[in-house]
Amino acid sequence: EAQVTQNPRYLITVTGKKLTVTCSQNMNHEYMSWYRQDPGLGLRQIYYSMNVEVTDKGDVPEGYKVSRKEKRNFPLILESPSPNQTSLYFCASSTSGGTGETQYFGPGTRLLVL
Amino acid sequence: GQNIDQPTEMTATEGAIVQINCTYQTSGFNGLFWYQQHAGEAPTFLSYNVLDGLEEKGRFSSFLSRSKGYSYLLLKELQMKDSASYLCAVREDSNYQLIWGAGTKLIIKP
Repeated sequence: EAQVTQNPRYLITVTGKKLTVTCSQNMNHEYMSWYRQDPGLGLRQIYYSMNVEVTDKGDVPEGYKVSRKEKRNFPLILESPSPNQTSLYFCASSTSGGTGETQYFGPGTRLLVL
Repeated sequence: GQNIDQPTEMTATEGAIVQINCTYQTSGFNGLFWYQQHAGEAPTFLSYNVLDGLEEKGRFSSFLSRSKGYSYLLLKELQMKDSASYLCAVREDSNYQLIWGAGTKLIIKP
């Protein structure tokens, strides 16, 4: 089954404790992206990747890191989480990121930073 | 600046028709998407418009007017399962990033 998977789905952590949220897609997509979603705000892009070893900042990259060592995986790293990073996070992928390409979203990771 | 506006919430009756509007102000335009998102779930693709006019897909239709910076999503024969948030997103010319509206929460009543 074609899908985007994220782990963990739910996470409670404390300020400053490094964490990684994994994202994997099995559709051989080149383009992958991370978003956060907060009440009353639209999806905001954190980082995106056009292909292996090619990553770029989105609208809200501060406090986050990503890597794209393999085509299928695009982990999101929070080196020192803070309470303002409490949010719902979505990973998404598409064939090339180009015009008309629909994005396929993972199920989401709900993060609470205390 | 970039801006996408949608109503925050709408209510409609099962079996009826509802129109959800989206207006946008962006530096460029390279397509507009509508996604559906049920509470606690991931967004799923509904429609894509890049040229002016109406795109029909079953009970759902989407309209675009580029000159007015305006789109709407039309849902017919509403069902209870249509209760969800509907997200409008615009792709600008300059990059592949999408700019997202905050979404419209649609409540369907029996």
